[in-house]
Amino acid sequence: EIVVTQSPATLSVSPGERATLSCRASQSVTTNLAWYQQKPGQAPRLLIYGASTRATGIPARFSGSGSGTEFTLTISSLQSEDFAVYFCQQYNNWPPYTFGQGTKLEI
Amino acid sequence: DVQLVESGGGLVQPGGSLRLSCAASGFTVITNYMTWVRQAPGKGLEWVSVIYSGGSTYYADSVKGRFTISRDHSTNTLYLQMNSLRVEDTAIYYCARHRVGGTSWFDPWGQGTLVTVSS
Repeated sequence: EIVVTQSPATLSVSPGERATLSCRASQSVTTNLAWYQQKPGQAPRLLIYGASTRATGIPARFSGSGSGTEFTLTISSLQSEDFAVYFCQQYNNWPPYTFGQGTKLEI
Repeated sequence: DVQLVESGGGLVQPGGSLRLSCAASGFTVITNYMTWVRQAPGKGLEWVSVIYSGGSTYYADSVKGRFTISRDHSTNTLYLQMNSLRVEDTAIYYCARHRVGGTSWFDPWGQGTLVTVSS
């Protein structure tokens, strides 16, 4: 099973600033990695797939990068609606599909 | 519009059973890979089970032998039969569609249904 680790657990950032979230896989997942955003009381929403492709309707301030075992989600200029929990998921070696434990982005 | 709506959650005693449903619209369940993911209160996401378009099924070790994933073409609905429930099965259960077969991200997700296992 591939273990996915996210850091930091909590990230405190001010609106308008840049946020950088990290995701590490225990072995290579090539670019088979997705990022999801989850707000309180809501289901996860797909942001990024293929490590760097934005999903339909996702603003350009969200970008993903990386391959192999190291990945990054960058939010270039934080808006108030971006404060949420972010999860990464590997889908290269399955089952099981595995998720990181999440990064909470707070003001 | 592609949409998933879960139902069937509730309070059940340890050792009990529950069947969750996931009604799909805007696409056909049996021609897609479909997955269940759960989230314990205040915790992260845990993949539970997948059913392939061809009908093969796989489960997380934590639910193997107790949960069964299935689907119904006539109602375009995905199911999760949960037996021998444990307190640690308490979670919000989400269904989701795989976008491109097995090696795939999940999109969209349903809104989730809460299962509480408690005496």
